[in-house]
Amino acid sequence: QQQVKQSPQSLIVQKGGISIINCAYENTAFDYFPWYQQFPGKGPALLIAIRPDVSEKKEGRFTISFNKSAKQFSLHIMDSQPGDSATYFCAARLTGAGSYQLTFGKGTKLSVIP
Amino acid sequence: DTAVSQTPKYLVTQMGNDKSIKCEQNLGHDTMYWYKQDSKKFLKIMFSYNNKELIINETVPNRFSPKSPDKAHLNLHINSLELGDSAVYFCASSGNSPLHFGNGTRLTVT
Repeated sequence: QQQVKQSPQSLIVQKGGISIINCAYENTAFDYFPWYQQFPGKGPALLIAIRPDVSEKKEGRFTISFNKSAKQFSLHIMDSQPGDSATYFCAARLTGAGSYQLTFGKGTKLSVIP
Repeated sequence: DTAVSQTPKYLVTQMGNDKSIKCEQNLGHDTMYWYKQDSKKFLKIMFSYNNKELIINETVPNRFSPKSPDKAHLNLHINSLELGDSAVYFCASSGNSPLHFGNGTRLTVT
């Protein structure tokens, strides 16, 4: 059973545009929501993360928007660059989990064209 | 210095063989994990170890067994390999910080 639903599966954006990836969850026991970025041949790397008591978090060109009532969160990449082309995963962690056991979305392959 | 390192990077083997993948982390983390990434890029947790104790074991065939000789190492042993085991296997670790992944081992079973 997939607990974190991610969309779209793939995304093509022109250089300088805004990339938006959405995730939705059903389990209200999740307490931590990270986004991971994965380049071909590499492992996923933490990009940015948010906790449910915050509605937005920004780090450089990357912003997470979090809507607790709708149980949705999204990643916005402003001024998208070809170097941002990668697969992006949203994830969620259960409250009280002593470790960072994460449930991942199915990923979004982002292609930024010049 | 590589924080989470896995060996080998590529592993090609025949059905029925037994193989191992090694993982080491130098981050001082307490918990280590194995994730499987299939051909559609879906990441699924297989195991996690905390202080040498298995604390998660998802619906993984018992042909897969994690071995942790110490806090810094978590190896994955796979017996009687099947075609469906072909995937990329990622080791990861966490402490007070979120998951930190290795660069994966691409396993191909022929």
